[in-house]
Amino acid sequence: KQEVTQIPAALSVPEGENLVLNCSFTDSAIYNLQWFRQDPGKGLTSLLLIQSSQREQTSGRLNASLDKSSGRSTLYIAASQPGDSATYLCAVIDSGYALNFGKGTSLLVTP
Amino acid sequence: GAVVSQHPSRVICKSGTSVKIECRSLDFQATTMFWYRQFPKQSLMLMATSNEGSKATYEQGVEKDKFLINHASLTLSTLTVTSAHPEDSSFYICSAMGGANTGELFFGEGSRLTVL
Repeated sequence: KQEVTQIPAALSVPEGENLVLNCSFTDSAIYNLQWFRQDPGKGLTSLLLIQSSQREQTSGRLNASLDKSSGRSTLYIAASQPGDSATYLCAVIDSGYALNFGKGTSLLVTP
Repeated sequence: GAVVSQHPSRVICKSGTSVKIECRSLDFQATTMFWYRQFPKQSLMLMATSNEGSKATYEQGVEKDKFLINHASLTLSTLTVTSAHPEDSSFYICSAMGGANTGELFFGEGSRLTVL
């Protein structure tokens, strides 16, 4: 069974810093990997999708990389802002299109 | 991106009653939808995979007679929590794969269920 681990569990940084969130998974036979953002009490917002054949995706200040062989993905956030404060979830999608989620990284960006 | 709508967003019910949650794909057809449950400060856990026109596939430990899933059309899946109890209080989220065949999953806004 696929296990997804996210490190760190929580992170607090001052505004303007660049930061990296880590995600690791145990089974490299994945279909896709997707990063989400979840605000308290809310649903999920898809940030970036990396298909298994891709190595990275970029959207604005966000960049996600994927290394299937080592079972790792990173989400890089440039020039962090207080509005980036949320929980970031990494999800690995298997060939049956089911997601396996990590427990998330709770990010706080202080002004 | 594709839009998935979930309703209701919040529901409070008495113990022993049944609650139905709807998940709709608004601008695409979804042959497969997924239902997740999230307890406070926990990650999302897959409950079941809902396939249009066939029985849902439940994850281990999820009671299929308690969590009834119906996927009668390509744009609608429903989750019914039967004879709800306080321990069923949770955040339920559905997802569907977008129509662009990229494998990207889109999520509903979630439904907060509180059982008194």
